[in-house]
Amino acid sequence: AQSVTQLGSHVSVSEGALVLLRCNYSSSVPPYLFWYVQYPNQGLQLLLKYTTGATLVKGINGFEAEFKKSETSFHLTKPSAHMSDAAEYFCAVRNTGGFKTIFGAGTRLFVKA
Amino acid sequence: EPEVTQTPSHQVTQMGQEVILRCVPISNHLYFYWYRQILGQKVEFLVSFYNNEISEKSEIFDDQFSVERPDGSNFTLKIRSTKLEDSAMYFCASSEGREGIQYFGAGTRLSVL
Repeated sequence: AQSVTQLGSHVSVSEGALVLLRCNYSSSVPPYLFWYVQYPNQGLQLLLKYTTGATLVKGINGFEAEFKKSETSFHLTKPSAHMSDAAEYFCAVRNTGGFKTIFGAGTRLFVKA
Repeated sequence: EPEVTQTPSHQVTQMGQEVILRCVPISNHLYFYWYRQILGQKVEFLVSFYNNEISEKSEIFDDQFSVERPDGSNFTLKIRSTKLEDSAMYFCASSEGREGIQYFGAGTRLSVL
């Protein structure tokens, strides 16, 4: 069965510092991988996705993630945090051809001035 | 930018009552989904819907739940007799194709008293 593990329910960084949010997944077949962001009182917004091809994917707002099959990881990074990045981030996986998206528990990112 | 809209944003109901949560998917999308997030827990898949029938459902989606596309624009989730444990945020999503990106609405918070 597929599952997603996000390490750290809360991450705090200073403005301008590197953001690293960790995600590991388990899947019996090569999955599609996603990062979603949720701002307070809003829906889930897609940050980026990996389906096939280049393993380093770039998303909106300066975020990127790298698919590492050998490590079953899909960590999210951003070189320099902004105050506006404070939100909850969800890693998610879906089987190719599948309907169901499996979400991690989420990581709340705090950005300190 | 097209978006998925959900109404109401917050629904309060008494245990045992029927509720209908409403969603307007993105207009050219063909696949529709419901997810829920109990407070403090993961976002969980409930059901996917295509071509006027359920294409996949989770074990959560029991006989108390039903989905319908009553017209060309709305997609609804009905809970027949609500229980306290149905209290959650319910997210609607839609995608253009089976393997397309799922776009999420802002959610309806259901409170069962």
